[in-house]
Amino acid sequence: DAKTTQPPSMDCAEGRAANLPCNHSTISGNEYVYWYRQIHSQGPQYIIHGLKNNETNEMASLIITEDRKSSTLILPHATLRDTAVYYCIETDSWGKLQFGAGTQVVVTP
Amino acid sequence: GAGVSQSPSNKVTEKGKDVELRCDPISGHTALYWYRQSLGQGLEFLIYFQGNSAPDKSGLPSDRFSAERTGGSVSTLTIQRTQQEDSAVYLCASSSDRGSHGYTFGSGTRLTVV
Repeated sequence: DAKTTQPPSMDCAEGRAANLPCNHSTISGNEYVYWYRQIHSQGPQYIIHGLKNNETNEMASLIITEDRKSSTLILPHATLRDTAVYYCIETDSWGKLQFGAGTQVVVTP
Repeated sequence: GAGVSQSPSNKVTEKGKDVELRCDPISGHTALYWYRQSLGQGLEFLIYFQGNSAPDKSGLPSDRFSAERTGGSVSTLTIQRTQQEDSAVYLCASSSDRGSHGYTFGSGTRLTVV
């Protein structure tokens, strides 16, 4: 079973930042936080991952709390194409990716 | 190739028949996963190959399901005596060097058992 907790859904206005929370209170020291998203009828797409430092790439930013029990994925300027189910997963770097239900994000015009 | 390739993209089969689904991972990727996703549901882990280690088969739902990976590259998922509840999209993913760039997923094979 997935070990993370995410809200089932959230809406975001186009052009605004989308902040997606994730709780991973049982995360262990060698486990990373990975984020994927799945656009309707497509395979999941890797977004970003981190261990304890905040990370940023061309798609998003990942903010991890100091105690590592929660994190936030930030999409800085949401577009309609960002509408998808977003999955937060904790695993070690060779670990099994266990997908939970994720957060359905709907970006509205 | 540039991505993970799965074939066929769609497969319709009669109940009781055997099917083989193929996954061509990105060249050089040592880790490979199979998942399935039923309509409107989340991703269900099936099996995980990592280099030359014994695969993690803990997600296979029954002994009708099996998978192999030849030469550390191409993988085949076989479903014997298919049932209607096997209908789903079967997704394959691969990764390299400790997953530092995440897993790349294929577009999946949509299996329909009639």
